[in-house]
Amino acid sequence: SQQGEEDPQALSIQEGENATMNCSYKTSINNLQWYRQNSGRGLVHLILIRSNEREKHSGRLRVTLDTSKKSSSLLITASRAADTASYFCATDREGRRALTFGSGTRLQVQP
Amino acid sequence: SAVISQKPSRDICQRGTSLTIQCQVDSQVTMMFWYRQQPGQSLTLIATANQGSEATYESGFVIDKFPISRPNLTFSTLTVSNMSPEDSSIYLCSADTPQGGGYGYTFGSGTRLTVV
Repeated sequence: SQQGEEDPQALSIQEGENATMNCSYKTSINNLQWYRQNSGRGLVHLILIRSNEREKHSGRLRVTLDTSKKSSSLLITASRAADTASYFCATDREGRRALTFGSGTRLQVQP
Repeated sequence: SAVISQKPSRDICQRGTSLTIQCQVDSQVTMMFWYRQQPGQSLTLIATANQGSEATYESGFVIDKFPISRPNLTFSTLTVSNMSPEDSSIYLCSADTPQGGGYGYTFGSGTRLTVV
């Protein structure tokens, strides 16, 4: 079963706006990662945040992690049409290297 | 980071037949993973494949249906056996590679399987 849920399930915004996606998980983790998937293709690793980190930045991406609430958020600033994709959070549970994925958010950025 | 070549990219198969999916990594990796993504859904782990040992399957997946080979540290195959339309999915392989203080994962481009 899925480790967690993401919301919203779908998000439609205009180019230039910010997009925020949220992820919740259920068990203790070593780290949490975000991936992007374009049109059912392979996943691309975006960013990894360790369980002892609270915030991390990479270009236009900002990720936060709240282990007390077992939740994370991904912020994409100044979105572009090319950001249109599905975004998944994933965790590797303590003692396991395999990833467990959230339900995903489908982001549509209108030009 | 590592690059994974996965093939075939897509296939349409008759029910009752089998399909073998191959993944080649351009560097040696310890662990490889196989996932299934049903239409419009998230990814579900099928099994973990280590070189030199039998794959470890997740609940709901069995070796007879999804035999996996891992002959060396750069290659793995997944076979979908005795296929039915319910097996229509995207199948993805991945490998763990050091990224950003932890182990990020590199994915193959996926195999889109349609069973008719």
